[in-house]
Amino acid sequence: KQEVTQIPAALSVPEGENLVLNCSFTDSAIYNLQWFRQDPGKGLTSLLLIQSSQREQTSGRLNASLDKSSGRSTLYIAASQPGDSATYLCAGLSYTDKLIFGTGTRLQVFP
Amino acid sequence: DTGVSQNPRHKITKRGQNVTFRCDPISEHNRLYWYRQTLGQGPEFLTYFQNEAQLEKSRLLSDRFSAERPKGSFSTLEIQRTEQGDSAMYLCASSNAGLTYNSPLHFGNGTRLTVT
Repeated sequence: KQEVTQIPAALSVPEGENLVLNCSFTDSAIYNLQWFRQDPGKGLTSLLLIQSSQREQTSGRLNASLDKSSGRSTLYIAASQPGDSATYLCAGLSYTDKLIFGTGTRLQVFP
Repeated sequence: DTGVSQNPRHKITKRGQNVTFRCDPISEHNRLYWYRQTLGQGPEFLTYFQNEAQLEKSRLLSDRFSAERPKGSFSTLEIQRTEQGDSAMYLCASSNAGLTYNSPLHFGNGTRLTVT
């Protein structure tokens, strides 16, 4: 059974810092790994998708990497801003076409 | 409208009542998912459809839960005889089967259910 873990559970940093969010999964049989952002009381917004054959994806200040062999993914946020404050969720798309989510990292970036 | 739409946004009901939620996916998407999310947790898979066919149901989906997608477009999720443990955010997502591996799921803003 796929289990997805995210570390840390919460993070508070001053504006401008570079930071890394970690995601680990127990079953490497995934089609892709996706990172989402969720604002309080809202749905999920897709940030980055890394296919199983890829190693990383970049979008603006965000960079996500994937190492299937070790069951790890990281989301790197450069030059963090208060607007980045949200919960970040990673999810693996299983071979049964289901996204399995981690519990998320709550990020607060203060001015 | 280019996004996934869910209605209502909020629902407060008394224990024992039935509730129904609706999800309108992105129009060209043939795959539709329902997830449930409780406070501080990641979303948990409930069920999904390809067109009108319900392909899989989670063990989380008790007999009190039923989902339909009658014409392969919008979907409804009904909870009968609600319990306080059903209080959660119910999220709907859609995607294009065949592109699922290469394109992300698109989520709606959810329906927050509170059972009193």
